[in-house]
Amino acid sequence: GAVVSQHPSWVICKSGTSVKIECRSLDFQATTMFWYRQFPKQSLMLMATSNEGSKATYEQGVEKDKFLINHASLTLSTLTVTSAHPEDSSFYICSASRRTLYEQYFGPGTRLTVT
Amino acid sequence: QQQVKQSPQSLIVQKGGISIINCAYENTAFDYFPWYQQFPGKGPALLIAIRPDVSEKKEGRFTISFNKSAKQFSLHIMDSQPGDSATYFCAASRSNQFYFGTGTSLTVIP
Repeated sequence: GAVVSQHPSWVICKSGTSVKIECRSLDFQATTMFWYRQFPKQSLMLMATSNEGSKATYEQGVEKDKFLINHASLTLSTLTVTSAHPEDSSFYICSASRRTLYEQYFGPGTRLTVT
Repeated sequence: QQQVKQSPQSLIVQKGGISIINCAYENTAFDYFPWYQQFPGKGPALLIAIRPDVSEKKEGRFTISFNKSAKQFSLHIMDSQPGDSATYFCAASRSNQFYFGTGTSLTVIP
């Protein structure tokens, strides 16, 4: 149980285009989903926290107009990187937390490369 | 201020040895302390977790030791195997807010 999927697993896009990454909790209802960014050999950097049906809460320094997060249902959250630039290239990981239980379960990550 | 401090940054252990990774936290309100294992190119996977009402939790070769008074907890990997080579993150949580350590890169040499 507690499986989280992400799609796509990797994506290459051109500078200026937008990319959408999906995060799904497959076998449980996730009241909260988290989006992280991870640079090589570094820790997880929390970008935003989203609760189902409400606006995401962004961490300081994260541009909410650039990284659009939607948590439309208890099993799906999306991260859209708008007008992507090469510096947005990174490993993006989502995680989901179950109602009443505060464990976080991570997705497999999405490698974004902006050329 | 870093809420969770993790050490060492990297660790090399012989096969069959014991790997020990340490974490210290600041906020006494934290009530959940998980450890995650991450392989290259993959997302972190929950390995083992503990709540502050117990001092030790063991699952197979993995043990968490928790010292509430010292605000420290550690992960012990017994009989370490090459397949355990990965990056390990500790975390501390309260009310669905998680704070992660900086990670420890473990290499188990045959």
